[in-house]
Amino acid sequence: AQSVTQLGSHVSVSEGALVLLRCNYSSSVPPYLFWYVQYPNQGLQLLLKYTTGATLVKGINGFEAEFKKSETSFHLTKPSAHMSDAAEYFCAVSESGGYQKVTFGIGTKLQVIP
Amino acid sequence: GAVVSQHPSWVICKSGTSVKIECRSLDFQATTMFWYRQFPKQSLMLMATSNEGSKATYEQGVEKDKFLINHASLTLSTLTVTSAHPEDSSFYICSARRTDRANTGELFFGEGSRLTVL
Repeated sequence: AQSVTQLGSHVSVSEGALVLLRCNYSSSVPPYLFWYVQYPNQGLQLLLKYTTGATLVKGINGFEAEFKKSETSFHLTKPSAHMSDAAEYFCAVSESGGYQKVTFGIGTKLQVIP
Repeated sequence: GAVVSQHPSWVICKSGTSVKIECRSLDFQATTMFWYRQFPKQSLMLMATSNEGSKATYEQGVEKDKFLINHASLTLSTLTVTSAHPEDSSFYICSARRTDRANTGELFFGEGSRLTVL
């Protein structure tokens, strides 16, 4: 079984400040990990993913995440928040292999304050 | 990246009618597509896994007679909400995964369909 825990359903940051969205996962086998972003009334768009290899993963729009196996974490960061980053962010996990079911966290709504 | 198109984006219907939502993978083949339902301010709830050429696999608690899924080709899956009622109002999102060598486990999502049942 696999699961995802996103700490903080709402996060507020000032424009230009560091963005940190937390994600912890549980998986009985090596996981694939994803961060998706959702804008209002739209589908989800992939920000970045970890499958194998380098544990620091860079994605679109300046976001990056680091896979830490010892901490079972995959936190999402961005050095400087932009107003356009305001959206809902979902962390997701699947078992490695590319054909397994994907489980999503509850999501974190990011608010960027001007 | 791969593109998944979902149609319609918005639909309003009367209680008791049926509504069909289409999900197409535009530039790749997908033997498997997934249908999610998203309630306001909540995460995505997997409803069913749509398999090309065979019956869909429904998650526990999802009525298969209520939510009919057809995956007739490698690029098209449809979700039909039968005899819709106001409690079926929700945001429905489909996703697909590449089944060729380019598969990295990533899901590609449609734009979502907002269903409102009056």
